[in-house]
Amino acid sequence: QLQLQESGPGLVKPSETLSLTCTVSGGSISTSYYWGWIRQPPGKGLEWIGSIYYSGSTYYNPSLRSRVTISVDTSKNQFSLKLSSVTAADTAVYYCARATTRDFDFWGQGSLVTVSS
Amino acid sequence: QSALTQPRSVSGSPGQSVTISCTGTSSDVGGYNYVSWYQQHPGKGPKLMIYDVSKRPSGVPDRFSGSKSGNTASLTISGLQSEDEADYYCCSYAGMYTHYVFGTGTKVTVL
Repeated sequence: QLQLQESGPGLVKPSETLSLTCTVSGGSISTSYYWGWIRQPPGKGLEWIGSIYYSGSTYYNPSLRSRVTISVDTSKNQFSLKLSSVTAADTAVYYCARATTRDFDFWGQGSLVTVSS
Repeated sequence: QSALTQPRSVSGSPGQSVTISCTGTSSDVGGYNYVSWYQQHPGKGPKLMIYDVSKRPSGVPDRFSGSKSGNTASLTISGLQSEDEADYYCCSYAGMYTHYVFGTGTKVTVL
């Protein structure tokens, strides 16, 4: 059974860069799927951040594109998220997920990241 | 790109049916047959329940069904059970620039 697990700091200071890694187990990241990041502010809805193919091809939410970088490390079966110049509005639970071209079929449990000084 | 519009909450008694609507535009829900639905229990990650408007992944009970008419998609839960109490989110493909847009979310309460 495919499993995804997010990891990274739970607290980030304003104006700094948020960094998270998703480790994929039970299957290879080098398959015909994309791998995505989605976030959920406390008590609010879901927002897609961006996705990456194992070859490195990426696409991002236009509203976050200027601050987001997603990368992949096939040797570690991992992909990562970097979000720069964070503010309190970036406080959220961040999920990683396997993505088809039109849905997300496997999700991680989520990682809460708080932006605060 | 604005979020898709869902009712804040719906409720029903065990055994009854409830339907959740998801309203978008011709640029997302109305333009593609790529609507998916996710169930989220408190403190858990979302679970895919419906994809491509009306298809169910393996393991999802057939009590869950999806449909679409124009710019509005719907999720129906028939024979409501206590474990169905959760938040539900729709999602639609929205073209090669925006890609995905999620709904505002609906809390389903089993009375």
